[in-house]
Amino acid sequence: DTAVSQTPKYLVTQMGNDKSIKCEQNLGHDTMYWYKQDSKKFLKIMFSYNNKELIINETVPNRFSPKSPDKAHLNLHINSLELGDSAVYFCASSQGTPFNSPLHFGNGTRLTVT
Amino acid sequence: AQSVTQLGSHVSVSEGALVLLRCNYSSSVPPYLFWYVQYPNQGLQLLLKYTTGATLVKGINGFEAEFKKSETSFHLTKPSAHMSDAAEYFCAVSGPGGYNKLIFGAGTRLAVHP
Repeated sequence: DTAVSQTPKYLVTQMGNDKSIKCEQNLGHDTMYWYKQDSKKFLKIMFSYNNKELIINETVPNRFSPKSPDKAHLNLHINSLELGDSAVYFCASSQGTPFNSPLHFGNGTRLTVT
Repeated sequence: AQSVTQLGSHVSVSEGALVLLRCNYSSSVPPYLFWYVQYPNQGLQLLLKYTTGATLVKGINGFEAEFKKSETSFHLTKPSAHMSDAAEYFCAVSGPGGYNKLIFGAGTRLAVHP
């Protein structure tokens, strides 16, 4: 009964490829996020959606495109992968803002671009 | 703008010793402050949070943190470390008013040795 589940857990691919990471939450939350954690463990928000609407879009290359088909899903598609995209990507969800409800994180997707 | 500085990327303590993880923040508005913990190969989990009211906040697993406005600090403490406390700890700050974005510090890795 995983609350926030991401697939795949590991993703190894070559430069220039296009790949997607899927995220689903079964908590009934209305807000979902994508965070990127680099090799130094630094965690930075990329996107946030509330009820399928984009509310946060940080300075992220256009190659990254989130898609939220419904409020329980937030997928991340990455075009033309680059070496610098190698990182762990975390999906998270909350009910409203982080003040009212803690972020619930998935276990991460480790992306390696070779 | 908000930011977080965690002093010490690695902290090592003996089992049973006091744990002190330091966090200083910068915020142009009254801050909301959080501590999250990340165990190996997992996502982050909320330890505790400060929004308003009492400045000493108690969290899970015996951790607590004190908000000190004059020092712009939110240090995390635990009186007696357990081996199971070994993990990465992240301090985070966010603004009020429905602001969804958490700004994380770079993290502090806590090692507990027998």
